[in-house]
Amino acid sequence: NAGVTQTPKFQVLKTGQSMTLQCAQDMNHNSMYWYRQDPGMGLRLIYYSASEGTTDKGEVPNGYNVSRLNKREFSLRLESAAPSQTSVYFCASRRGVATDTQYFGPGTRLTVL
Amino acid sequence: AQKITQTQPGMFVQEKEAVTLDCTYDTSDPSYGLFWYKQPSSGEMIFLIYQGSYDQQNATEGRYSLNFQKARKSANLVISASQLGDSAMYFCAMRESGRGAQKLVFGQGTRLTINP
Repeated sequence: NAGVTQTPKFQVLKTGQSMTLQCAQDMNHNSMYWYRQDPGMGLRLIYYSASEGTTDKGEVPNGYNVSRLNKREFSLRLESAAPSQTSVYFCASRRGVATDTQYFGPGTRLTVL
Repeated sequence: AQKITQTQPGMFVQEKEAVTLDCTYDTSDPSYGLFWYKQPSSGEMIFLIYQGSYDQQNATEGRYSLNFQKARKSANLVISASQLGDSAMYFCAMRESGRGAQKLVFGQGTRLTINP
């Protein structure tokens, strides 16, 4: 039981390049989330998926797209990376009951030069 | 909009002492939930404790307890008998109300350092 997994762990991009961050959970959770964490700050929500087949914008969606591929997988895509997107990206999942916590993956450290 | 405020950027505590990390929140919704997460230097986010707005008693999980003062809109984390391994960033978060995905809003965090 791996919980929430993310790939890659580290990535360096040049401005304008694209990439997809992968996230998968094996807990049969309904909801999945993508956050970013900038230095010295808390996490901010980029996109989320309440259930398979649905996605919605969070607080900071600009420059990102997401795909809820199936119940297990939720990917985050940067179409044209910018230095302002240098951050640590966390994926999380949650079963769907009101008091449930979100379980986080280990994070992806992304640097855009 | 819901907001979480953590006013202590850093805290330094002697090992074995108790420590209180402050968290205040702002919401107009009567139904909400409050979470504390720990982020060690390795970077992962570890869930510590949860308090629902309708819970009558303060939440406890081992050495962690949540001092929930609803009228003051505060949800302070208390760590008893601190250990060196408690050195980490600590984040308070609030669950937005309503149906659906239950998004979390995070505070900026408090860096706790436990001195031997």
